[in-house]
Amino acid sequence: LAKTTQPISMDSYEGQEVNITCSHNNIATNDYITWYQQFPSQGPRFIIQGYKTKVTNEVASLFIPADRKSSTLSLPRVSLSDTAVYYCLVGEFNKFYFGSGTKLNVKP
Amino acid sequence: GAGVSQTPSNKVTEKGKYVELRCDPISGHTALYWYRQSLGQGPEFLIYFQGTGAADDSGLPNDRFFAVRPEGSVSTLKIQRTERGDSAVYLCASSLTANTGELFFGEGSRLTVL
Repeated sequence: LAKTTQPISMDSYEGQEVNITCSHNNIATNDYITWYQQFPSQGPRFIIQGYKTKVTNEVASLFIPADRKSSTLSLPRVSLSDTAVYYCLVGEFNKFYFGSGTKLNVKP
Repeated sequence: GAGVSQTPSNKVTEKGKYVELRCDPISGHTALYWYRQSLGQGPEFLIYFQGTGAADDSGLPNDRFFAVRPEGSVSTLKIQRTERGDSAVYLCASSLTANTGELFFGEGSRLTVL
């Protein structure tokens, strides 16, 4: 079971790019890296998933170096509505374990 | 809507009582998950169903917790002899298949044990 380490919190301003890095030194060969976003009083929401290199979708990019021991979630031009907790998950499908996440606070 | 539906949204009970929490997944989703989230913590995995069977129940904390999914759709999480430490938000999620990391979560059932 790969343990993940993320910063507890981060501050940013509207319009900036935000990068949240997650460490997962014990990642296994079959593990995928998945990021979720959670707003207060709501369930987590899937953002992006990858195995290696770079993945991009309409809301974020995920950068994974060759050794896969870390990953970086990149949010372009954040807005106030991106204030939330972001979770990095590492594991095989159906065995996802959430850590404590990174609380992102976007300021005007 | 077409999302995951959980009922009740809030449940207050007394220590020692029995509680049932219901999850109605997205139609056609074969995999269903239960998580528990305490204040300030990330969701904690409890159990995962593939169809009607519990494929992984390693996260259930003890034998007071039990979950069923008799027809492969709706699931019920059952908690016997509730304790104050069971107070948390219970989250249900579903996914189209077992081989995807994209889980769709409901808004949760907040359980308070007095």
